[in-house]
Amino acid sequence: GQQLNQSPQSMFIQEGEDVSMNCTSSSIFNTWLWYKQDPGEGPVLLIALYKAGELTSNGRLTAQFGITRKDSFLNISASIPSDVGIYFCAGLPLGAGSYQLTFGKGTKLSVIP
Amino acid sequence: EAGVTQFPSHSVIEKGQTVTLRCDPISGHDNLYWYRRVMGKEIKFLLHFVKESKQDESGMPNNRFLAERTGGTYSTLKVQPAELEDSGVYFCASSQGAAGANVLTFGAGSRLTVL
Repeated sequence: GQQLNQSPQSMFIQEGEDVSMNCTSSSIFNTWLWYKQDPGEGPVLLIALYKAGELTSNGRLTAQFGITRKDSFLNISASIPSDVGIYFCAGLPLGAGSYQLTFGKGTKLSVIP
Repeated sequence: EAGVTQFPSHSVIEKGQTVTLRCDPISGHDNLYWYRRVMGKEIKFLLHFVKESKQDESGMPNNRFLAERTGGTYSTLKVQPAELEDSGVYFCASSQGAAGANVLTFGAGSRLTVL
């Protein structure tokens, strides 16, 4: 089946630093999504990307849909303690049903005040 | 508006026992999905309901898993008999109309621990 390689697996950063994480695949994806999961909660959608090359921001978050349609990155600028959580990339592979998301394994972010 | 609610939040059972997880989607959402995350792995699709009908259950691991959505409202996911490898967090999500998976709202998950 489709797989997404998400990296890094975990990050420890100082408050105020910028963060970057990415997802890659050997297959083409039609849609890229970035979710955040807080402890004890379900994943919450942060950013959705629908076109190759698309660059979208949501506050301090910026994500891009790679030109090859096989990768995406998420940047967080000026991190704050509440950014702590697990970030998941997810996508809809080419040819897949519109409902069957493929997820990465997640990036666990820890922010040191 | 109430979100997607799941019950129980955590269940600890012994191998061979039965567990039933429940999901109440957002009111009016026809699409309901079950996903699962095994520790340290990716979140994986299990199945998709449109109202009371199973649209796709290709992600269900085996026939020990049974999902139902009687009346097209809440859904249950039963694991019988449970095995050690069934441990993980089971997420339910819902979406409205034909919006598709890109606008899913997830519940907080039901953590299942099989001993």
